[in-house]
Amino acid sequence: DGGITQSPKYLFRKEGQNVTLSCEQNLNHDAMYWYRQDPGQGLRLIYYSQIVNDFQKGDIAEGYSVSREKKESFPLTVTSAQKNPTAFYLCASSNGQGTKETQYFGPGTRLLVL
Amino acid sequence: AQSVTQLGSHVSVSEGALVLLRCNYSSSVPPYLFWYVQYPNQGLQLLLKYTSAATLVKGINGFEAEFKKSETSFHLTKPSAHMSDAAEYFCAVSDEGNNFNKFCFGSGTKLNVKP
Repeated sequence: DGGITQSPKYLFRKEGQNVTLSCEQNLNHDAMYWYRQDPGQGLRLIYYSQIVNDFQKGDIAEGYSVSREKKESFPLTVTSAQKNPTAFYLCASSNGQGTKETQYFGPGTRLLVL
Repeated sequence: AQSVTQLGSHVSVSEGALVLLRCNYSSSVPPYLFWYVQYPNQGLQLLLKYTSAATLVKGINGFEAEFKKSETSFHLTKPSAHMSDAAEYFCAVSDEGNNFNKFCFGSGTKLNVKP
């Protein structure tokens, strides 16, 4: 089955620690995205990547970093500079860069701070 | 700039009643509009999308939405609610003014279905 996988489902971060969230897709999609979801605020874009080895900051990139070394993988690192990391993180992908394209979402990772 | 407003953060209906979830958008160019559903602790699933073809769009699970340019609206409806429809619903807009596929999401509407 084609789809997007995210791991882990739950992640705990200690103060001052960097943590990495995994996102893998086997849909052969060029574009991938990371969103942060907080209650009552909808989804906010953190980073996006249109092709391998290229990525751009979204609306709330501070305290986060990404890489796109492979087409199928787009890991997100939450750094110690992100002072309020507790949220639900969603990865998405789309086929191409056109604005009509549907974004398909993974199951999400919930990040909690110890 | 794009924006999306979903009126009503919580909507409650009885099982079998009409579901109406409201979405108004702002876009300087012709928009593409999407409705997604999210069940607790899960990702978003596409219900339907409007991409400038028919203004009445039918989606999965009996949902449909009508694009009304004059009202800048894309409200989601279902004639008869089922208990399994209880979830959070998000409206999103993308438009041709973008240089990439950036979505703007509304803040979501939680649908409660009473037995």
